[in-house]
Amino acid sequence: AQRVTQPEKLLSVFKGAPVELKCNYSYSGSPELFWYVQYSRQRLQLLLRHISRESIKGFTADLNKGETSFHLKKPFAQEEDSAMYYCALSHPGNMLTFGGGTRLMVKP
Amino acid sequence: DTAVSQTPKYLVTQMGNDKSIKCEQNLGHDTMYWYKQDSKKFLKIMFSYNNKELIINETVPNRFSPKSPDKAHLNLHINSLELGDSAVYFCASSQGLAVTYEQYFGPGTRLTVT
Repeated sequence: AQRVTQPEKLLSVFKGAPVELKCNYSYSGSPELFWYVQYSRQRLQLLLRHISRESIKGFTADLNKGETSFHLKKPFAQEEDSAMYYCALSHPGNMLTFGGGTRLMVKP
Repeated sequence: DTAVSQTPKYLVTQMGNDKSIKCEQNLGHDTMYWYKQDSKKFLKIMFSYNNKELIINETVPNRFSPKSPDKAHLNLHINSLELGDSAVYFCASSQGLAVTYEQYFGPGTRLTVT
């Protein structure tokens, strides 16, 4: 069975500090991984996906199959990055298995 | 110009009642989903629905049934509501079933069962 783990429920950093939101997964097949974000009073939306290898809003995430991880990183956090972040794994039927989420708070 | 919409936004009802939540998408997508978010913000897939093919998460009680009148709509019916059904329910849609497709989420429906 697939599983996604986000070990930190809350991550608090100061503006300008580096950020790393951890995500580990368990899946027998070839994983398709995503990061979704939910800003305050907004709907859940895609931030980035591993297959596109892109940087969105300064965030990057690298799939490490050896460590079964897909950590989200940003070198310099901004206050507007404060949100709930979900790591997700897509399996047949395009059904997403989400991690428990990490709330990122960026303090001024 | 809302992509995925849900009604109602809030729903308060008593145990034992039957209720429905509606979802509509105007993106022309082929696949729709229902997710449940519990009080600890944990999101869990309930169903995916594509061209009349229903894929059910095996942990979902059969009191929950999705109904799709057409490709743009996927409603969620819940029979004999229980306290544990209290949660936020999110509808989503994607172009298709391929695992690489992005999902677009609705704003959520907060269901409270008393």
